[in-house]
Amino acid sequence: KNQVEQSPQSLIILEGKNCTLQCNYTVSPFSNLRWYKQDTGRGPVSLTIMTFSENTKSNGRYTATLDADTKQSSLHITASQLSDSASYICVVSEDYGQNFVFGPGTRLSVLP
Amino acid sequence: NAGVMQNPRHLVRRRGQEARLRCSPMKGHSHVYWYRQLPEEGLKFMVYLQKENIIDESGMPKERFSAEFPKEGPSILRIQQVVRGDSAAYFCASSQRTGVFGTQYFGPGTRLLVL
Repeated sequence: KNQVEQSPQSLIILEGKNCTLQCNYTVSPFSNLRWYKQDTGRGPVSLTIMTFSENTKSNGRYTATLDADTKQSSLHITASQLSDSASYICVVSEDYGQNFVFGPGTRLSVLP
Repeated sequence: NAGVMQNPRHLVRRRGQEARLRCSPMKGHSHVYWYRQLPEEGLKFMVYLQKENIIDESGMPKERFSAEFPKEGPSILRIQQVVRGDSAAYFCASSQRTGVFGTQYFGPGTRLLVL
């Protein structure tokens, strides 16, 4: 069964600190992996997209890594800001990228 | 270029009524996806449509739910004879292309409450 797991379920950090969120998946065949940020009450916003051949991609203070062999991905947030408080969702596409399996998300709270 | 528009933003229905959720994709996008998010849960894929065609409806309940994306006008997600378990946030996303190059842009969602 295609699944995407994320850890931790929730995380609280202080402003300015770094953090890393984890994503493990069993989706096969693998097409691509995406990280989304979802603010409370809003729709998700895409942060990064990685294919099988990519093992790292950055978007500002967000850096995603992918290990297709172990089927793991991480999202590293550098110098966190209060506005980073949100749910971060890992999404894995199978086949040719038309079937999407969403992880449950990690809820990040950044405190002043 | 306006983003993905969804309306209404909030919808209250009594059990047994019909709910119609609308989604206008971004300009130039011909691919529309509908997702459901139950409280405290992740998004679940429901259906993927292109203009006038349903491509993949594997995530949509077989009964009471239907979706369309006509040649003109918004995509519609229709829920007939709603039940309390249908209460959720329904998100629509659109993309210009599919596959690895198809970044999905999400709308703000419609929050359905069934009394």
